[in-house]
Amino acid sequence: DGGITQSPKYLFRKEGQNVTLSCEQNLNHDAMYWYRQDPGQGLRLIYYSQIVNDFQKGDIAEGYSVSREKKESFPLTVTSAQKNPTAFYLCASSRGTGERPGNQPQHFGDGTRLSIL
Amino acid sequence: LAKTTQPISMDSYEGQEVNITCSHNNIATNDYITWYQQFPSQGPRFIIQGYKTKVTNEVASLFIPADRKSSTLSLPRVSLSDTAVYYCLVGSGGYNKLIFGAGTRLAVHP
Repeated sequence: DGGITQSPKYLFRKEGQNVTLSCEQNLNHDAMYWYRQDPGQGLRLIYYSQIVNDFQKGDIAEGYSVSREKKESFPLTVTSAQKNPTAFYLCASSRGTGERPGNQPQHFGDGTRLSIL
Repeated sequence: LAKTTQPISMDSYEGQEVNITCSHNNIATNDYITWYQQFPSQGPRFIIQGYKTKVTNEVASLFIPADRKSSTLSLPRVSLSDTAVYYCLVGSGGYNKLIFGAGTRLAVHP
């Protein structure tokens, strides 16, 4: 089955620690996204990538970093600079380049819930 | 940037038809309207997308009037499992222009 796999499902971060959230897709999509969702809120865009080896900051990129070395993978690192990391993190993908991206349905993983120890 | 407005919450009962309306006054000519459903602790799931008039699939219908300044997601005969948050999105411009607002929390009661 094609889809997006996020791991781990739950993650705990200690003070001063960097943690990395995994996102893998086998949909052959060019574009990938990371969102943050706080309780009762909508999704806020952290980073997005239109194509391999390229990524752009979203609305709340401070304290986060990403890489896109492979088409299938778009890991997110929550650094110690992110002072309020507790949230639900969602990865998504869409077909991507060459078309109006806003019109392309996004496929989401089932999220990683990050908490502070 | 096309902003959308939808009700914060709605209540319904099993077996009823539910209509959730979204307004998007600044929709651009090339924009499609997309609806997603999200259950607790899961990622949003694509439900339906349309450009004008009516679109129907096995899950829902989407009604879009001629001026395209609003759209209505229609869920026929809802069940308890339709309790979720529903998001209306209007695609506009670049990859970073998609905005998932707070959505509409639909509660279906027995």
